[in-house]
Amino acid sequence: SAVISQKPSRDICQRGTSLTIQCQVDSQVTMMFWYRQQPGQSLTLIATANQGSEATYESGFVIDKFPISRPNLTFSTLTVSNMSPEDSSIYLCSGRGGYRDTQYFGPGTRLTVL
Amino acid sequence: AQKITQTQPGMFVQEKEAVTLDCTYDTSDPSYGLFWYKQPSSGEMIFLIYQGSYDQQNATEGRYSLNFQKARKSANLVISASQLGDSAMYFCAMRAYTGANSKLTFGKGITLSVRP
Repeated sequence: SAVISQKPSRDICQRGTSLTIQCQVDSQVTMMFWYRQQPGQSLTLIATANQGSEATYESGFVIDKFPISRPNLTFSTLTVSNMSPEDSSIYLCSGRGGYRDTQYFGPGTRLTVL
Repeated sequence: AQKITQTQPGMFVQEKEAVTLDCTYDTSDPSYGLFWYKQPSSGEMIFLIYQGSYDQQNATEGRYSLNFQKARKSANLVISASQLGDSAMYFCAMRAYTGANSKLTFGKGITLSVRP
């Protein structure tokens, strides 16, 4: 299985500030994704992180709010900008690849915005 | 469009017994994959088992098996010999294989509690 690490694991932030989450995957991953999971909800895809180019965002998510970078195959960052309490969620990095192109997830970042 | 349905309310099972978590799906694509993930209270998503739409046999991974009924579009997860550590949220997901950027679609999840 693919190995995916993510940091920070949790953070408590003040409204109006920004937080950058880092994700590192192993070399068998070909595609990388960022998901949000609001309290008590299922996972929602924010965007597909594209190597060396702008991420592909899902409906309802915009680059100004969630800028994403993927400078190389194995590393990506998600920034949650100008945070409000509604951004309190678990943010999960995901990578697809390997046997049967399975999709794996990092340990998640639990964000609380006060 | 793809859709995953998990309608069971919170599930309870006695330790060492087996439990079935239901999942139905809808897709018009002939080639797809079905996945189950476990999410403990820590928040990480743990991949459990995969079933391809063209696989002839039901998938098994240790204590996990998938009861795949293609005609009924169901992919139920069976956990045998439940353990206390199995208490978690369980998500069913699917991905169609047509299209270059097919996405993983998740169900709403089922909470499983294992009683000692």
